[in-house]
Amino acid sequence: EAGVAQSPRYKIIEKRQSVAFWCNPISGHATLYWYQQILGQGPKLLIQFQNNGVVDDSQLPKDRFSAERLKGVDSTLKIQPAKLEDSAVYLCASSRQGMGYTFGSGTRLTVV
Amino acid sequence: KQEVTQIPAALSVPEGENLVLNCSFTDSAIYNLQWFRQDPGKGLTSLLLIQSSQREQTSGRLNASLDKSSGRSTLYIAASQPGDSATYLCAVPLTGANNLFFGTGTRLTVIP
Repeated sequence: EAGVAQSPRYKIIEKRQSVAFWCNPISGHATLYWYQQILGQGPKLLIQFQNNGVVDDSQLPKDRFSAERLKGVDSTLKIQPAKLEDSAVYLCASSRQGMGYTFGSGTRLTVV
Repeated sequence: KQEVTQIPAALSVPEGENLVLNCSFTDSAIYNLQWFRQDPGKGLTSLLLIQSSQREQTSGRLNASLDKSSGRSTLYIAASQPGDSATYLCAVPLTGANNLFFGTGTRLTVIP
């Protein structure tokens, strides 16, 4: 089966600019996750979708981050405006109930 | 709140050695545990998934064990190779939830 697709692979922006990341999960995977991984740390959950509904967004900085999953398939994560501390790798993953996660290759964001 | 700890943080071994990576978690109410590999600048690759009813899983030179009652898992790598050099992460979801809690990883270097 095809893996989780993410784009872009890399992005460099100036602080206060906006940026968007895209994720296409594995077909049939109802659950989609966005994780933030800061250098030297483990990934941290930002938001979890079940189909097109939000299950958990308690760790999402809602003043600047937003995410949507229209039609329960693709998802976009947006940051507006970006801060220096948002520099990280943004990982998308999908899963089926009771099964393990499959991660995409991630988007490396550098805010300068 | 679930906390996941991985020891050691970094490990360097000569090629051919067998090695053990450790993972501990504070809340034993998990329904599976997953080990991932992460190469520098890349996403996460799933290595092994152990369901809570299982005690171990094997894939090639990798063997992962799970002891829920003591909150521990180990990843055993036999006959290590330079290509095994990467960061190894363990992650657990809580029963009834899908959110994965990650450790900070063990950075493994296998010296030729």
